[in-house]
Amino acid sequence: AQSVTQLGSHVSVSEGALVLLRCNYSSSVPPYLFWYVQYPNQGLQLLLKYTTGATLVKGINGFEAEFKKSETSFHLTKPSAHMSDAAEYFCAVYKGSQGNLIFGKGTKLSVKP
Amino acid sequence: EAEVAQSPRYKITEKSQAVAFWCDPISGHATLYWYRQILGQGPELLVQFQDESVVDDSQLPKDRFSAERLKGVDSTLKIQPAELGDSAMYLCASSFSPGGTGELFFGEGSRLTVL
Repeated sequence: AQSVTQLGSHVSVSEGALVLLRCNYSSSVPPYLFWYVQYPNQGLQLLLKYTTGATLVKGINGFEAEFKKSETSFHLTKPSAHMSDAAEYFCAVYKGSQGNLIFGKGTKLSVKP
Repeated sequence: EAEVAQSPRYKITEKSQAVAFWCDPISGHATLYWYRQILGQGPELLVQFQDESVVDDSQLPKDRFSAERLKGVDSTLKIQPAELGDSAMYLCASSFSPGGTGELFFGEGSRLTVL
């Protein structure tokens, strides 16, 4: 069965600092992995996804993530945080047999000026 | 840009009352999902439709929740009677088809508060 674990429910960084949000997955088949962002009282917006091919995936707003099979990880990074990055971030794995997503519990990112 | 439409955005109701949420997916998307997101947690699937058929409703509390997608386009999620523990954000999402890239497109959600 597929699952994801996000380490750290809350991460705080200073503006301009590196952002690192951690996600580990469990999957019995090659996974499709996603990062979504959610702003307060909004729906989820896709940041990036990994399906096959290149393991370093670039997304919107300067975010990227690297699929590491040996570590079963898909951590999200951004070199320099911006105030507008403050939001909640969800890692998800695709449940291929049914075609839906299983989400982690989320990491709330705060950006200090 | 095509969007998933949901209404109402906010709903306050008293326990034991009935409540309904509506979702209109992106045109042409055959698969529609209802997720529930409790404050501070990730979304959890309630029900998934492929066209008008239910694909997965294993996590839907069927004693009080019901969902339909009669013509395979828009969908309604109903709760009757509402309980305090139903307070949450109800998210609708759609995708072109399952088995593709897996990308789901989400609406802005319907936030339910049960008093």
